[in-house]
Amino acid sequence: DVKVTQSSRYLVKRTGEKVFLECVQDMDHENMFWYRQDPGLGLRLIYFSYDVKMKEKGDIPEGYSVSREKKERFSLILESASTNQTSMYLCATLYTEAFFGQGTRLTVV
Amino acid sequence: AQSVTQLGSHVSVSEGALVLLRCNYSSSVPPYLFWYVQYPNQGLQLLLKYTTGATLVKGINGFEAEFKKSETSFHLTKPSAHMSDAAEYFCAVSAGVTNAGKSTFGDGTTLTVKP
Repeated sequence: DVKVTQSSRYLVKRTGEKVFLECVQDMDHENMFWYRQDPGLGLRLIYFSYDVKMKEKGDIPEGYSVSREKKERFSLILESASTNQTSMYLCATLYTEAFFGQGTRLTVV
Repeated sequence: AQSVTQLGSHVSVSEGALVLLRCNYSSSVPPYLFWYVQYPNQGLQLLLKYTTGATLVKGINGFEAEFKKSETSFHLTKPSAHMSDAAEYFCAVSAGVTNAGKSTFGDGTTLTVKP
């Protein structure tokens, strides 16, 4: 079974903090993605990566950056967290369909 | 360009009743279509997918969906609802299987199952 692991299930951070959300996959997939999920808005793609050190912006990249130094790890970075970034964050990897992590519920206070 | 519309943000059925969750899509290329389920505080799990071939697709937990090109629809059904089916369901479309991670998702439909 493909396993996508997000480092935290719940996080509470203060406004202005730099926040790192980590995602690790164990199946050697090249493609990894970060989504944000908000009620009534479905899933929105933040960033994705097709290979190590490669990244592309998704639909809502503002306020976020990513890092992919190793194939199995894809990190989402909130440079200066704001309250409007309170959300559920989902990491996914891809083979013939998307495999999702369990999600990180981030609250920015 | 592609888009997905899920009709009804909330659907409520009685246990044992038919489940019907509606999804319409638009796509400028032949679509690949997916249904995902999300249980509370968990990530998304693939229920079923349509790529090519047979238009009636069977998935896990007794769900199935039918791709109807003429209606641009991919509705999800289950003959008899179970309490454990209560969850949020997402329809998604992508331009080819290699773009599944760049799928466009619908806004989700929350299914409630009443005893």
